[in-house]
Amino acid sequence: QLQLQESGPGLVKPSETLSLTCSVSGGSINNNNYYWGWIRQPPGKGLEWIGAVYYTGSTHSNPSLKNRVTISVDKSKNQFSLKLNSVIAADTAVYYCARHSGLRAVDYWGQGTLVTVSS
Amino acid sequence: QSALTQPASVSGSPGQSITISCTGTSNDIGNYNFVSWYQQHPGKAPKLMIYDVSNRPSGVSNRFSGSKSGNTASLIVSGLQAEDEADYYCTSYTVSNTLIFGGGTRLTVL
Repeated sequence: QLQLQESGPGLVKPSETLSLTCSVSGGSINNNNYYWGWIRQPPGKGLEWIGAVYYTGSTHSNPSLKNRVTISVDKSKNQFSLKLNSVIAADTAVYYCARHSGLRAVDYWGQGTLVTVSS
Repeated sequence: QSALTQPASVSGSPGQSITISCTGTSNDIGNYNFVSWYQQHPGKAPKLMIYDVSNRPSGVSNRFSGSKSGNTASLIVSGLQAEDEADYYCTSYTVSNTLIFGGGTRLTVL
């Protein structure tokens, strides 16, 4: 059974960089059927797609975040990562890592990790 | 990109059927049959319920179904049960090679 697990700091200061890693078990990232991506949910609000990376390293990102987002893949560790720079309070959210079936649907989700932006 | 439009809330009694709409544009829903629906209970990760407009993943109840007409997709939940009470989100693939979510709908089982 595929499992995804987010890890990273739960508190980030304003203007700094949010960095999260997603560890994948029960399946390989090196698979041409899937993208690996990030979705976030501010407290009490809806879901927002951040972006996704293909096993080749090719990425697609939400235009509203594109200039601040970097998503990368480490096939040797079966992990992928998110970096969001110049964070502000509005970036406070639960961040989910997830497997995307193409870019059509998100079929496996991590449990989510809360990241708070505060000084 | 602007979020897909969903009603904030819908409700129904046990055993009834409800429909949740999801309206986009010709840049997303209207141009692709890549609409999916997710169920989210409080404090939990979302769960895929419908993909490619009307397909159910293995293990999802056949009480859940999906359809699309023009720029609007719909999730139909029949035979409402208490456990169906949750937030529901739609997504669509877009012409920009991105995914876009709807704002979410709270389903209340009366």
